[in-house]
This record gives sequence, C-alpha cells and structure tokens, in this order.
Amino acid sequence: NAGVTQTPKFQVLKTGQSMTLQCAQDMNHNSMYWYRQDPGMGLRLIYYSASEGTTDKGEVPNGYNVSRLNKREFSLRLESAAPSQTSVYFCASRIGQESNQPQHFGDGTRLSIL
Amino acid sequence: GESVGLHLPTLSVQEGDNSIINCAYSNSASDYFIWYKQESGKGPQFIIDIRSNMDKRQGQRVTVLLNKTVKHLSLQIAATQPGDSAVYFCAENSPKNYGQNFVFGPGTRLSVLP
Repeated sequence: NAGVTQTPKFQVLKTGQSMTLQCAQDMNHNSMYWYRQDPGMGLRLIYYSASEGTTDKGEVPNGYNVSRLNKREFSLRLESAAPSQTSVYFCASRIGQESNQPQHFGDGTRLSIL
Repeated sequence: GESVGLHLPTLSVQEGDNSIINCAYSNSASDYFIWYKQESGKGPQFIIDIRSNMDKRQGQRVTVLLNKTVKHLSLQIAATQPGDSAVYFCAENSPKNYGQNFVFGPGTRLSVLP
C-alpha cells in the first residue's frame, strides 16, 4: 500500500520557469492538501480539495494553482517560479474534511528556485 | 539532509530515558489533536491522536496528554530509542482554519544520545 506518492522528489528551476508537482493517493480519501514547509516554521496550507471537484485557497495560495484531476490525484502548479517559492512541498490526504481523522503525508518534493 | 528544522528547539535525552515534548496550541475551539514524527528527508508520520473530550491517550510507548485549560499538549515517549530521533510536531484541527483544517506547530527536534 503506497499511501501518498509525490513526484518528483527533487527539482531545481530557474526564476520564471513553470512546473507541476504531482500527488496521488490510493487510500480512497476524499480530501487532499498541499503544504509548504520552511525552516523553523510549521507546515503552511497552500490549497486544499475537500472533495473531488472542489478546491479552495489556504493560508499561502499566491503564486500557485491546483487541479483535482480525479479522486486520487491532486496537482500543484507554479506558473512562474520565484526564489521565495524555494521550499519543501508536501501533499496529504484524509478521509474527509470534517472527520476527526489524521492526514497522511507523502515524502515531499524538494524544490529550489535559482 | 534537508534544512527543515534549522531553528527548532532541541531536546536531548539518553537512550532508555523517557522523553517529554510539549506543544502549546492556539485555538480553544480546536477539537482534535495529532502528534507527528518527521525523520530527515521524509514526510510527517502519524504517531497518535486525541480528541478534545479526552485528557490522556496511550499508544505503544507513547502517551499524549491534553490540558484544555491552558491549551497545552504533550507527547511522552517511554524508553527512548535511537530510532526515535526526529522532529516531532503537534497539529490542532481548528474549526475556523480554512474550512476546518489543521494548524501545525514548528516542531521540536529530539536527539537520542547513546
């Protein structure tokens, strides 16, 4: 059981380039999330999808877009990368948005913007 | 390893001793709490959770205590082992946070000394 799978694991971009981070879960979860993790800070929510067909902004959505492709997949896109977006990005999922159940995380994408 | 956790508080314990990691949460309306473990280069891993109608919950070698009066959460690890070395952080499920999403603490680095 793979859980939450993120690709790629590492990426280096130049300022202004675009890219899409991929995430897939095989736990039949309804809700999926994208976070960024920066040194000394807690995970910050970028966007989330409470259920298939819906997406909403989180705490730090500027510079990002998302697509909930189907129940399994939730992608994060950087249209024009900036050095401030250098971070580790984590995708997570859980059974439902209002459930008292934990989120399950992937192993992250380490992204550097030069 | 990645730079996550550069400025985190560190708790150093001798192998075999008990560890206590503390967390202050922010919202008195939060009703569900989780402790995660994050090893270098990995995503957060669920350890234990507790609902707000409980004060204590025990797992295998771990205990979580919840004090709602002072909005404090603690994680106790019994007989700490080298494999417990990681960053530990708490999460609160806040009804008012972006559609009832989690707020994550920055974490504490646990270092187990031989």
